[in-house]
Amino acid sequence: DIQMTQSPSSLSASVGDRVTITCRASQSISSYLNWYQQKPGKAPKFLIYAASSLQSGVPSRFSGSGFGTDFTLTISSLQPEDFATYYCQQSYSTPWTFGQGTKVEIK
Amino acid sequence: QVQLVQSGAEVKKPGASVRVSCKASGYTFNNYAMHWVRQAPGQGLEWMGWINADNGDTKYSQNFQGRVTITRDTSASTTYMELSSLKSDDTAVYYCARVGATTIGIYFFDYWGQGALVTVSS
Repeated sequence: DIQMTQSPSSLSASVGDRVTITCRASQSISSYLNWYQQKPGKAPKFLIYAASSLQSGVPSRFSGSGFGTDFTLTISSLQPEDFATYYCQQSYSTPWTFGQGTKVEIK
Repeated sequence: QVQLVQSGAEVKKPGASVRVSCKASGYTFNNYAMHWVRQAPGQGLEWMGWINADNGDTKYSQNFQGRVTITRDTSASTTYMELSSLKSDDTAVYYCARVGATTIGIYFFDYWGQGALVTVSS
């Protein structure tokens, strides 16, 4: 199974900050990497697919990059509604696996 | 608009089985695979398996050691996930998630059900 490791596990940031979350795969997954946002008590929301493509309707302050084993999710200017947990997920091979999540909290 | 509506919360005893349903609307059901993902309280997301809604082919995570079965009823646009031999650590929210894809075959979960809490307790 491909292991996905996110860092950090949590972070505190202020509104307006630039936030970067890293996701590392245990083997190369090309661009088969997606990102999701989850708020407490809600289902995950789809943000980015194929490492860097923004899902329709997702604000442009979200961006993704990376290829192979190392990927990044960046929020350019954190907004109040962005405080949530973020998960990366690989769809290169089954079982599809998720990172353990990064919780973005208010400083 | 695409909607996935799941059945309600369940409380089961250890050793029992549970079946969670996921009714799809707003798209052609047969054209998209459906996956199931679970989330234990305070934990991350765990992939369980998927079904080809068109031909019924399935694939499951080895982590469930034959305890999970995913089926579908195309006439009702509904997918079902059954988990047997329940244990206390199966207590989780169970999600169905539709799979979309790029033209080059990169897959992602584009729509999710609201989740169904299954509690396993004696």
